[in-house]
Amino acid sequence: EPEVTQTPSHQVTQMGQEVILRCVPISNHLYFYWYRQILGQKVEFLVSFYNNEISEKSEIFDDQFSVERPDGSVGFTLKIRSTKLEDSAMYFCASRVDRGGADTQYFGPGTRLTVL
Amino acid sequence: GQQLNQSPQSMFIQEGEDVSMNCTSSSIFNTWLWYKQDPGEGPVLLIALYKAGELTSNGRLTAQFGITRKDSFLNISASIPSDVGIYFCAGQLYNYGQNFVFGPGTRLSVLP
Repeated sequence: EPEVTQTPSHQVTQMGQEVILRCVPISNHLYFYWYRQILGQKVEFLVSFYNNEISEKSEIFDDQFSVERPDGSVGFTLKIRSTKLEDSAMYFCASRVDRGGADTQYFGPGTRLTVL
Repeated sequence: GQQLNQSPQSMFIQEGEDVSMNCTSSSIFNTWLWYKQDPGEGPVLLIALYKAGELTSNGRLTAQFGITRKDSFLNISASIPSDVGIYFCAGQLYNYGQNFVFGPGTRLSVLP
């Protein structure tokens, strides 16, 4: 069964460093998402991405964050510039196929980001 | 912003018992999803609901999309130890293309 994959599974970084989290969606999916989940809390929407453009973003997704799908790549990335301690969380990507609105999204296994 | 409420927040049940949990909102949603999350892993989709009043089953799981479009429930019958985890509801707002909003989750513990 097709699945969403994420790398790395765990990233440890120093405060102020930049990190890039990677996601490979299910192959026929068109909409891509990033979420984060701080330990013990609910899943929070960050950004949705379609046709190489941001569709929506939450108030969490400020100038520190960016998303990209490099040309020719099947995957997409979440870049966090100048990480802060409070960026420590699980980051999940998700993808869904556009079927006229009646569709669902599937999550990757997550990247655990630890900022020291 | 839009918020989902889930109840109960946590529950302890005996193996073999049935479980019922629900998700409510003040906003109208056009899609409801139920996910299960095990520790350290990503949410796994259990059931998707697309129409008001829709009742859908997946094995021992049954979920319904409320007719007001503002709520949904999930039932688990004859619980087993591997049902342990956090169950999240997620709703897609009525306007097509918007993101999914997650509830805070219901933590289920199954006692042998």
